[in-house]
Amino acid sequence: GIQVEQSPPDLILQEGANSTLRCNFSDSVNNLQWFHQNPWGQLINLFYIPSGTKQNGRLSATTVATERYSLLYISSSQTTDSGVYFCAVVAYNTDKLIFGTGTRLQVFP
Amino acid sequence: NAGVTQTPKFRVLKTGQSMTLLCAQDMNHEYMYWYRQDPGMGLRLIHYSVGEGTTAKGEVPDGYNVSRLKKQNFLLGLESAAPSQTSVYFCASSWRETYDQQYFGPGTRLTVT
Repeated sequence: GIQVEQSPPDLILQEGANSTLRCNFSDSVNNLQWFHQNPWGQLINLFYIPSGTKQNGRLSATTVATERYSLLYISSSQTTDSGVYFCAVVAYNTDKLIFGTGTRLQVFP
Repeated sequence: NAGVTQTPKFRVLKTGQSMTLLCAQDMNHEYMYWYRQDPGMGLRLIHYSVGEGTTAKGEVPDGYNVSRLKKQNFLLGLESAAPSQTSVYFCASSWRETYDQQYFGPGTRLTVT
């Protein structure tokens, strides 16, 4: 089955810093989503981005489907950005959303 | 719009007991899903449904049953709970296809002792 790898596994930032999270996948996909799981366990949809670039406030995401990777950019990080960021994909000719193991982000004041 | 809701939020079971988790969505979505999340891991698909009256197996279906009698509800059952089923369970829904954006509920934390 498709493999989804996220890097880095852990990231520690000071408030105000910028960061880039990466998601690599091993096969062609027709669905890619980024989620933020906050410290209370709630999963929040960030982006639905099987291809192209999207922006939402301080966050933006780019998926280069032909090269099988996606990037999540966080600018001017805040303590409320802390949590785990997951990338999830659905490979072509399959019907299951497969999650990566996540990047744990800690932002300190 | 409440989105996707789950009942209950927390539950503690003893080994061998049974229970049902309820998921409800008010977005008229065709597809619904049940996932489990174990510590330090991403979510894994248990079962899913592509419409009222249908169900299908996901990655980790053993020990669980599901039913979709109404379009807006998706039930997850544990007939004989085991400690290995201690996990956080998430329900999700999407409009029509698995490649549509999936919307997640708040989760149910289940502990089996």
